[in-house]
Amino acid sequence: GAVVSQHPSRVICKSGTSVKIECRSLDFQATTMFWYRQFPKQSLMLMATSNEGSKATYEQGVEKDKFLINHASLTLSTLTVTSAHPEDSSFYICSASRGAGSTDTQYFGPGTRLTVL
Amino acid sequence: AQTVTQSQPEMSVQEAETVTLSCTYDTSESDYYLFWYKQPPSRQMILVIRQEAYKQQNATENRFSVNFQKAAKSFSLKISDSQLGDAAMYFCAYRSARSGNTPLVFGKGTRLSVIA
Repeated sequence: GAVVSQHPSRVICKSGTSVKIECRSLDFQATTMFWYRQFPKQSLMLMATSNEGSKATYEQGVEKDKFLINHASLTLSTLTVTSAHPEDSSFYICSASRGAGSTDTQYFGPGTRLTVL
Repeated sequence: AQTVTQSQPEMSVQEAETVTLSCTYDTSESDYYLFWYKQPPSRQMILVIRQEAYKQQNATENRFSVNFQKAAKSFSLKISDSQLGDAAMYFCAYRSARSGNTPLVFGKGTRLSVIA
């Protein structure tokens, strides 16, 4: 099967610091990766779409300077939360697809719980 | 923009019984995909079942089946012979079939409890 990992699984940081979350496709090359955010007891909200080698496409209302997304290789995308604040505390989930089409299955990572003190 | 609505925040079912989770969606597109995902306490998203809009036949996966009503824009999930391991959050999701790798649009979820 297709496996997607995320690292770290949970992180606690101080307000004002930056945190990097990695999303890796372990056994396939991911043309596209998606980053979602999930608040407690709520649904997944798309933050951005990341295509290898190009700039990420952010959803309306998501600050691209605060949530830096890099998709430098076909197996790795990173999300950096810059100058984190307590309101950034959330569960961040990535998904990855092999191909570039809508028929391609999205495989989800296990998520990263971010707590900003 | 597409929207997905799950009107049941919580449901419960007796072990071995059958339960149906509701989902409706709104779209102006004619070609798309619909999904049900399960999110257990581990928070790992697990694909339960997938339906292509152009297929009239309802998808089934073992104990899981859907009732896809395209005209009514309804996509319910039926779980038969419910097991304790079925307890989880269930999300209905929509995905456009337009060109390019399109993201999933999720409903707010239904928390399913299974009573032993």
